[in-house]
Amino acid sequence: QQPVQSPQAVILREGEDAVINCSSSKALYSVHWYRQKHGEAPVFLMILLKGGEQKGHDKISASFNEKKQQSSLYLTASQLSYSGTYFCGTEFGGNEKLTFGTGTRLTIIP
Amino acid sequence: DVKVTQSSRYLVKRTGEKVFLECVQDMDHENMFWYRQDPGLGLRLIYFSYDVKMKEKGDIPEGYSVSREKKERFSLILESASTNQTSMYLCASSSGQGGQETQYFGPGTRLLVL
Repeated sequence: QQPVQSPQAVILREGEDAVINCSSSKALYSVHWYRQKHGEAPVFLMILLKGGEQKGHDKISASFNEKKQQSSLYLTASQLSYSGTYFCGTEFGGNEKLTFGTGTRLTIIP
Repeated sequence: DVKVTQSSRYLVKRTGEKVFLECVQDMDHENMFWYRQDPGLGLRLIYFSYDVKMKEKGDIPEGYSVSREKKERFSLILESASTNQTSMYLCASSSGQGGQETQYFGPGTRLLVL
């Protein structure tokens, strides 16, 4: 089942914060976050495995709720380089097969 | 660095033609995947392979087949291309160590079927 991603699109000014959500109707084995810039391949950002986990690097972090059905990606003090489409990929059985959400297009303006 | 390459960035074919999309990875990965990406629909899995000569259907396999004769190469075949197969096709690979493995994507092939 395809996870539900929200919002579909968001426009921010540099320095503002954004939250992107990814929800599943069933508990997940893991959730993966990717960013795709226009005309480029998706690039891995991070993976979350444990309920209640939070992880991140620089100003991009993510959380995985206790029930392992929802993950959120947090972008703080956004930079122009953060623009792109963000996808969550959900894994159910540890078989490395991912089901991706429909994506969130993030536009950062000066 | 893992490198996943795809044979063409852009391809134009006619309805009914047989189309081959090639993908090669250079990291000895066990798993390879083919997705198609359409606006508003995200990435949808067509087929994947856990090993040479092994393949499994993804979420939208109809109209497609695949071939994996060598570990590093995974081909997507459109037996008789149709206009509704116009799309961006992305190949990916992962190591196959079991869970928590990053998928590495190729640059994509934008296919137009006329």
